Amino acid sequence: KAGVTQTPRYLIKTRGQQVTLSCSPISGHRSVSWYQQTPGQGLQFLFEYFSETQRNKGNFPGRFSGRQFSNSRSEMNVSTLELGDSALYLCASSLGLSIDTQYFGPGTRLTVL
Amino acid sequence: AQKVTQAQTEISVVEKEDVTLDCVYETRDTTYYLFWYKQPPSGELVFLIRRNSFDEQNEISGRYSWNFQKSTSSFNFTITASQVVDSAVYFCALSSNSGGSNYKLTFGKGTLLTVNP
Repeated sequence: KAGVTQTPRYLIKTRGQQVTLSCSPISGHRSVSWYQQTPGQGLQFLFEYFSETQRNKGNFPGRFSGRQFSNSRSEMNVSTLELGDSALYLCASSLGLSIDTQYFGPGTRLTVL
Repeated sequence: AQKVTQAQTEISVVEKEDVTLDCVYETRDTTYYLFWYKQPPSGELVFLIRRNSFDEQNEISGRYSWNFQKSTSSFNFTITASQVVDSAVYFCALSSNSGGSNYKLTFGKGTLLTVNP
């Protein structure tokens, strides 16, 4: 079974721009979660989607948003990029319930200049 | 609120040594789940183990073993006879329903393990 895939793997943007990251979950998984990883803050939860609905949200500003499609694929968007948004963005999928084990993708490395 | 503390920021050992990575958690829930993930230099988080709060049995998987003790809120991870390929950042994580919100995964800061030949 193919794992979680994320595109693109690397991205360079400038301040003020917006960016969209994509995540395809493991086949059969209906829940997708997003995390931001930085050296200073570590791994922080962004949000979780299940059946196209946001089920949970972390403490991030409204510039961070996401959505999930009917095929469970998910996208996250960051608008008006700031230097501090430079990070590794990890997507994880699970079968469905929040208590299910999450399996992670390789991440998208975003650099904001 | 839930919290995971991995007090060891970095550990360096020589190949074949045993090493234990510490994890202490905090939660008010009686039902919760604990995890360990490995992050090699490639960046992808690799799932290692999951434990629920009602199962305090220790587990062994090859060279890996986990010691779950509710009395001390700890979930420690031991690698026996370490190998260079074990070099990675290891994360302990907790999933609970604190505050009535849906379960979400909270990670510790991670422990960088370097195994030298």
